[in-house]
Amino acid sequence: GENVEQHPSTLSVQEGDSAVIKCTYSDSASNYFPWYKQELGKGPQLIIDIRSNVGEKKDQRIAVTLNKTAKHFSLHITETQPEDSAVYFCAASHSDYGQNFVFGPGTRLSVLP
Amino acid sequence: GAGVSQTPSNKVTEKGKYVELRCDPISGHTALYWYRQSLGQGPEFLIYFQGTGAADDSGLPNDRFFAVRPEGSVSTLKIQRTERGDSAVYLCASSLNPGSSYNEQFFGPGTRLTVL
Repeated sequence: GENVEQHPSTLSVQEGDSAVIKCTYSDSASNYFPWYKQELGKGPQLIIDIRSNVGEKKDQRIAVTLNKTAKHFSLHITETQPEDSAVYFCAASHSDYGQNFVFGPGTRLSVLP
Repeated sequence: GAGVSQTPSNKVTEKGKYVELRCDPISGHTALYWYRQSLGQGPEFLIYFQGTGAADDSGLPNDRFFAVRPEGSVSTLKIQRTERGDSAVYLCASSLNPGSSYNEQFFGPGTRLTVL
């Protein structure tokens, strides 16, 4: 089955700096890769996603890149703000089959003012 | 509009007891998922419903865990003979049309289960 690894487990950056979180997956059939942000005591919220027919996607300060050959994808947050502090999870799935997500273990991001 | 809701938000029970956790998905969403999240880890898949039927229950850890969705909307996750290792946050998610190429899952706030 699918296995998703995520690095780093914790990340501290100064406000205004960029943050990068990297994930690798094992199943080459996975074709949908969402990123979720989870704040304390809340459920995960989708912040950006990418499908395997696209190499990069941007949404304001957030971008995701995908390398299908290497089976890895990354989240980039620019101009970080204190409200970006949260736990971020990457996931992989076969969207065509409506199957479950396999999540990475998470990255705790702290943005220091 | 209303998001995914889960009740109760917190449940404390004693080892060996039976518990039920409820999920109300977003109206019109045909797919419903249950995940379990242990402290410091990512959500782990338990079961996926398409309509009333369980399309994939491969994540249920053992036969103490069971889930139903009798009318294709609300779902209940049932845990028998609870053990301390069952303590976790149980998350529910729903999606509109999992058979399409767009499969965003919307998560509820979770139920924190503590087994003493």
